[in-house]
Amino acid sequence: AQTVTQSQPEMSVQEAETVTLSCTYDTSENNYYLFWYKQPPSRQMILVIRQEAYKQQNATENRFSVNFQKAAKSFSLKISDSQLGDTAMYFCAFMKHGRDDKIIFGKGTRLHILP
Amino acid sequence: NAGVTQTPKFRVLKTGQSMTLLCAQDMNHEYMYWYRQDPGMGLRLIHYSVGEGTTAKGEVPDGYNVSRLKKQNFLLGLESAAPSQTSVYFCASSHQRGGLETQYFGPGTRLLVL
Repeated sequence: AQTVTQSQPEMSVQEAETVTLSCTYDTSENNYYLFWYKQPPSRQMILVIRQEAYKQQNATENRFSVNFQKAAKSFSLKISDSQLGDTAMYFCAFMKHGRDDKIIFGKGTRLHILP
Repeated sequence: NAGVTQTPKFRVLKTGQSMTLLCAQDMNHEYMYWYRQDPGMGLRLIHYSVGEGTTAKGEVPDGYNVSRLKKQNFLLGLESAAPSQTSVYFCASSHQRGGLETQYFGPGTRLLVL
């Protein structure tokens, strides 16, 4: 069974700083997808970034980038020039490629951006 | 497009009562999902559907039933609610498998079982 672990329950950083959220996962699959979701106080789940395991290049989306290390099964999220609006819960998630389309989520990291 | 909508937004039930949560999507997505979110537990998949008329169990299916009679709707039922089912429930839908499409989430339904 796949598992996703986020070891940082809560983090705080000053506005404009860079912050990295950790995520590790365990799987025996070779083809899969990894995601970072943001959940602001409004509770809506918003996709931040996704990575396909067969791609070696790290995904980037504006101020958000990942450090994907397949061998180490690590998928960290870096937020550059953090903004107050980045305050939210962040979930790391895993989905294996194939008939089973279930997404497995980590427990989340609560991120506070301080003014 | 309204995207993914959920009804109701909030509900209080007494132990043993039944209720149905409705999820609707107007994006013609094949795949739909029901999750529950508990403090310290993250999101856990309850049931999902890969198309109209089909359903499958997720990680935590016990105590829930689902139906997908119409492509745009995915219903989650609680036949006899228990306090352990107090949670926030999220519905999601997606167009196709894997990383080619994302899952679009609804706003959530907060359920309190007394």
